[in-house]
Amino acid sequence: NAGVTQTPKFQVLKTGQSMTLQCAQDMNHNSMYWYRQDPGMGLRLIYYSASEGTTDKGEVPNGYNVSRLNKREFSLRLESAAPSQTSVYFCASSERLAGWNSYEQYFGPGTRLTVT
Amino acid sequence: ELKVEQNPLFLSMQEGKNYTIYCNYSTTSDRLYWYRQDPGKSLESLFVLLSNGAVKQEGRLMASLDTKARLSTLHITAAVHDLSATYFCAVDSPYGGSQGNLIFGKGTKLSVKP
Repeated sequence: NAGVTQTPKFQVLKTGQSMTLQCAQDMNHNSMYWYRQDPGMGLRLIYYSASEGTTDKGEVPNGYNVSRLNKREFSLRLESAAPSQTSVYFCASSERLAGWNSYEQYFGPGTRLTVT
Repeated sequence: ELKVEQNPLFLSMQEGKNYTIYCNYSTTSDRLYWYRQDPGKSLESLFVLLSNGAVKQEGRLMASLDTKARLSTLHITAAVHDLSATYFCAVDSPYGGSQGNLIFGKGTKLSVKP
C-alpha cells in the first residue's frame, strides 16, 4: 500500500514550457486534490476532484488544468509555465470519516518545481 | 473572506518547556484538522477534531476545539527536539459542498532547542 504517489519529485522548467505532474493513490478514495505550497503561505487549493469524471476549481486555478483519468489518477498540467508557478505541489486524496460529514486528507510526497 | 490564522508563526522553545499554538478561523466550521510537516517532507495528519469541546492527545501534543470561539489550540508539553516541525491547522472550506476541501493556516514553525 503506497498511499499517494507523485512524479516527478523535482523539475526545472523554462518559462513557456509545459509539463504534467502525475498523482496516483491506491486507497480507493473518491476525492483528490492539488495544492501548491509557497513560503509563508500555507497550502492553497488549485483544483479538486470529488469523484471520477468531475473536477472543480479551487482557490488558485489560473494557469493550471487537471484531468481525473480514473479513480486512482489525478494529473495537473501547466500549459505555459511562468516563474510565479515556482512552488512545491502536493497531491492529496481523502476519505469520508465513518459517521461524519468530514474528510481526512492524505498527502503525497510533493513535487518541487522551479520555473526560470 | 474566509481566514484561518495561526499564532505564533514562528516559535523557538527550549526542551522541557510547555507552549500553546493557537488557530483562529472565521467560518462556522465545527471540524478542525492539525497536520505536521517536517522540513522538505509531506504533511502528516495529527488530529481530526470533529465537534465542539473535542480534545485529542498523542504523546506530548494535545489539541482542543472550541467552535463557539472559533478557536483550536495545540498544546505542547515538555517539548523535545523531535517535535521540531511546522504545524498547520485547517478547516473545512464552505465552498465546493462537502467534498473535503480544506482551508489551511500559514503554519507555525516550531524549533525546539536543547
